[in-house]
Amino acid sequence: ETGVTQTPRHLVMGMTNKKSLKCEQHLGHNAMYWYKQSAKKPLELMFVYSLEERVENNSVPSRFSPECPNSSHLFLHLHTLQPEDSALYLCASSPGNSISYNEQFFGPGTRLTVL
Amino acid sequence: KQEVTQIPAALSVPEGENLVLNCSFTDSAIYNLQWFRQDPGKGLTSLLLIQSSQREQTSGRLNASLDKSSGRSTLYIAASQPGDSATYLCAVRPRGQNFVFGPGTRLSVLP
Repeated sequence: ETGVTQTPRHLVMGMTNKKSLKCEQHLGHNAMYWYKQSAKKPLELMFVYSLEERVENNSVPSRFSPECPNSSHLFLHLHTLQPEDSALYLCASSPGNSISYNEQFFGPGTRLTVL
Repeated sequence: KQEVTQIPAALSVPEGENLVLNCSFTDSAIYNLQWFRQDPGKGLTSLLLIQSSQREQTSGRLNASLDKSSGRSTLYIAASQPGDSATYLCAVRPRGQNFVFGPGTRLSVLP
């Protein structure tokens, strides 16, 4: 596998379910990101991890819980979601070792539908 | 707070045309600017990254320019092809913040 991978690619869940999204990067990067992309809205940054430490949380509801066990893996744990949380969830990584050179590389996304 | 806009929101051109996509940002204090393309329902593919000290970057038929003082970047696509049809997004990295994305320009290149 190369680049940034995400599983599952599609997920349908009920409002009372608990599920997790997984992201893995094979680029040796130090920073990883979760973004939410809703229809007709710009990408919204949700969480940023640098060297496995959360450095930013953009006022995301607690029903989204990130986890970064190491610099290659990032999870987004979901529980008691709402229908408006249906969106494409994108993971990205960047080298993170230079603040000026920080090109982002994205995974293919997980299309989430909350019923 | 940094805001990014992209004009036009949608563009349809015949194959072979040269075209320009525009990106504007409100705060010129940025580290870099990155252009992406996104195919429907897919992730983002990085096209070009321009550092704040650079004026332009080129990759194949793509050329991106950056004018920090006016808060603008353009993406020039030469000899457009149907395979170029996608949504094009720009993102800036402001000082003290993480990346801020524009809403995108949806491009259709007609055969």
